Amino acid sequence: DAKTTQPPSMDCAEGRAANLPCNHSTISGNEYVYWYRQIHSQGPQYIIHGLKNNETNEMASLIITEDRKSSTLILPHATLRDTAVYYCIVRVVGTSGTYKYIFGTGTRLKVLA
Amino acid sequence: DGGITQSPKYLFRKEGQNVTLSCEQNLNHDAMYWYRQDPGQGLRLIYYSQIVNDFQKGDIAEGYSVSREKKESFPLTVTSAQKNPTAFYLCASSIGRGNNEQFFGPGTRLTVL
Repeated sequence: DAKTTQPPSMDCAEGRAANLPCNHSTISGNEYVYWYRQIHSQGPQYIIHGLKNNETNEMASLIITEDRKSSTLILPHATLRDTAVYYCIVRVVGTSGTYKYIFGTGTRLKVLA
Repeated sequence: DGGITQSPKYLFRKEGQNVTLSCEQNLNHDAMYWYRQDPGQGLRLIYYSQIVNDFQKGDIAEGYSVSREKKESFPLTVTSAQKNPTAFYLCASSIGRGNNEQFFGPGTRLTVL
């Protein structure tokens, strides 16, 4: 199974862009990259996902390198409410064709006022 | 409101007792998942179910059991065989196969005394 590597923590000034990197050098060609975030003691919240093209939605942008070995999640204008642990996840195919997530240890993002 | 519910939020049990954690969803999702989270760690998959009356072991299934008798319910039993059961347990669901994100419940924090 592919694994992800993320820095354990990052700080970002409020109103600035937060760029969260992720390495997934062993990812296979059909495995997607997902990003979730988790605020303390709550369930993770979906942010965005992609395969090889860059993606954007109302929450964030996802930039995937051409070789797919790394990606960056961008929160364009970070707010204090974006303080959370951000997980970069590789989705693999488990037995019986069901998809399953492989979580890393995440990046603890702290947005500073 | 549609969503995933887990109850209770906090659960205490004596060592050696089995305990069942509840997970219910009214999203009409086919797939359901159970994860375990330890402090400072990412989520690890315990069991998952693609359809009713079918489920597969995840990465850390030893000491746990599940059932999927109804589409909307996926209870997890933590048995006395689980060596270190104290953890935060998260349930999730997704539409099923395909490129769909998982929706997470609020979690149950189990403490075994």
